[in-house]
Formats: sequence, C-alpha cells, structure tokens
Amino acid sequence: DTGVSQDPRHKITKRGQNVTFRCDPISEHNRLYWYRQTLGQGPEFLTYFQNEAQLEKSRLLSDRFSAERPKGSFSTLEIQRTEQGDSAMYLCASSLRAGIGTDTQYFGPGTRLTVL
Amino acid sequence: AQSVTQPDIHITVSEGASLELRCNYSYGATPYLFWYVQSPGQGLQLLLKYFSGDTLVQGIKGFEAEFKRSQSSFNLRKPSVHWSDAAEYFCAVNQGGKLIFGQGTELSVKP
Repeated sequence: DTGVSQDPRHKITKRGQNVTFRCDPISEHNRLYWYRQTLGQGPEFLTYFQNEAQLEKSRLLSDRFSAERPKGSFSTLEIQRTEQGDSAMYLCASSLRAGIGTDTQYFGPGTRLTVL
Repeated sequence: AQSVTQPDIHITVSEGASLELRCNYSYGATPYLFWYVQSPGQGLQLLLKYFSGDTLVQGIKGFEAEFKRSQSSFNLRKPSVHWSDAAEYFCAVNQGGKLIFGQGTELSVKP
C-alpha cells in the first residue's frame, strides 16, 4: 500500500524563477489537497481537487500559483516568479470522499522550497 | 470561520510520564476533529480522529483523545511517553472538506 508521494523533496531556487512540484495521491483517492507550512506554524490550506475539478482555492493562492490535476490522478503545483516569502514546506494530501466533513486526509512527505 | 487553538507551543515531559496536549476549537455544529504528528522535516501522520459517537477515541502509538463539547476541547493524551514521541503535534478541524490546523505543540522528552 503506497502512500502519498511528492517530488522533489527539496528545491532551492533563485528569486524570480519558476518551480513546479508534483504529488501522486493514494491510488483510489478522488480528492487531493495542497497545503503550505511555514516554520513554526500549522499547515494552511491552498487548494483542493475532486477528481480533475478544482473545487476551492484559498486567498493565499496568489495569481503566481497554479495547480492542476489533469486526469484526476497526480497533481502539479506551479509557482511563477518565486519570491523569498514563498519559502515553505508544501504538503500534499489525499482522501476518499465518504461524506461531507468525514474525509480522512493522508499526507505526503512534503516538498521543502527555499527561495534565495 | 472555524479556528483551532493549541495553547501550549512547547511542552517537555520525562520519559515514562503521562502527557496531555490541549486543543480548543470554535465551530457551531458538530466538528470533525483530528490529531496529526509531524517529525522534523517530514509530512503529517494521522494519530486519531473524531467524527461522532463515543467521545473517547483511541489512536495509534498508544494515544487517545477525548471530545468535550461543553468545553470545545479535544485534548490528546498518552499514559506513558516514549522518547520516540518527541515531535510536533497538530490538532485540526474539518471545515467544508479542508483542514484548519492549530499552531502546533512541540513535544520534547527528557530521558
């Protein structure tokens, strides 16, 4: 039973560059979530998908951020023109929708982004 | 909007001692509550969850939590802490499908 996987685990980039992260959910899960976690804080919700449809985006998700889940399987999160404030851990989670509010989300190991 | 408060930023306990981590939530209806644990540089692992029914829920690694509606609390407990329990612990509530997390409590374990 493979869990949620994320690639890369670490990314160092220079300010202004674009970066893309990938998340592979647990295979039968239809929901996929992205969160951002900065040092000393709890994760903050960014966006989520049900199958290929993006159902909600946080106000934290500026125009520089875009997420896709083209075939309802893996997802990508792209950050354009990175800024130092984007440095954080980006966490992906997946769940099998069983009813409103009763999803259990399982998290991947995260991608640590450092913007120099 | 819902919120989750973990009043203790950092707790230190001796190995073998009991542990209680506090979590308070604000939500009008029946909350769906979770505790996750995070080791340094890692993702989050689910410890336990409460959806309904018995207010005392058992989780993995010997943890349990009790839902108290009157106190809007969902505190995490363990009767005897092991050195490997040192980590960061997050309480979360489900709001419309997404999780709202508390700030976390860092647990240190003294030998």
